[in-house]
Amino acid sequence: DTAVSQTPKYLVTQMGNDKSIKCEQNLGHDTMYWYKQDSKKFLKIMFSYNNKELIINETVPNRFSPKSPDKAHLNLHINSLELGDSAVYFCASSSLKGANYGYTFGSGTRLTVV
Amino acid sequence: EDQVTQSPEALRLQEGESSSLNCSYTVSGLRGLFWYRQDPGKGPEFLFTLYSAGEEKEKERLKATLTKKESFLHITAPKPEDSATYLCAVQRRGEYGNKLVFGAGTILRVKS
Repeated sequence: DTAVSQTPKYLVTQMGNDKSIKCEQNLGHDTMYWYKQDSKKFLKIMFSYNNKELIINETVPNRFSPKSPDKAHLNLHINSLELGDSAVYFCASSSLKGANYGYTFGSGTRLTVV
Repeated sequence: EDQVTQSPEALRLQEGESSSLNCSYTVSGLRGLFWYRQDPGKGPEFLFTLYSAGEEKEKERLKATLTKKESFLHITAPKPEDSATYLCAVQRRGEYGNKLVFGAGTILRVKS
């Protein structure tokens, strides 16, 4: 039983295309996140949703649009893909309640724009 | 702005050779400091959360400690299966949303 699952695992696409990444968690968490890990392995937050409400929106090009249909799902749509969008995108979830505020991560989606 | 600096960038150890990884942080009010392990092609896996200076946590060959400015991840008698990238992250108190700010990680290689 995968706690946080992302699809697809690999995505190779041409510049200018539009693509989506999907994430689902079965942990009962109320908050979900998108993080980007660049070629230097540096993880940086992009967005966060709590119970379908956008609560964190970092400085990200507006070509990136997250959507959360319910608290167990978070999708990321990217328009007009650019070479610089190539990275690994991680979904994560956590609970804003309780003592442990850490995340559970998915296994990542490696996006390559050619 | 919250900052996390990890050192060294890479560390090679012989099996059984104990060592420590460092995580220096700057945050205006620490809620928690987190250690994660990341294997190639996988997402980060949670190891520890530390909340206050002086706190220590252990798991198998790993022990994490925290001061007001830095955290150490001590690895005692490492084995090849401990090879991974170790990530440190901080969470600011009072900031809604549980945002984590990560360091760049330390790549650990343990040779048999």
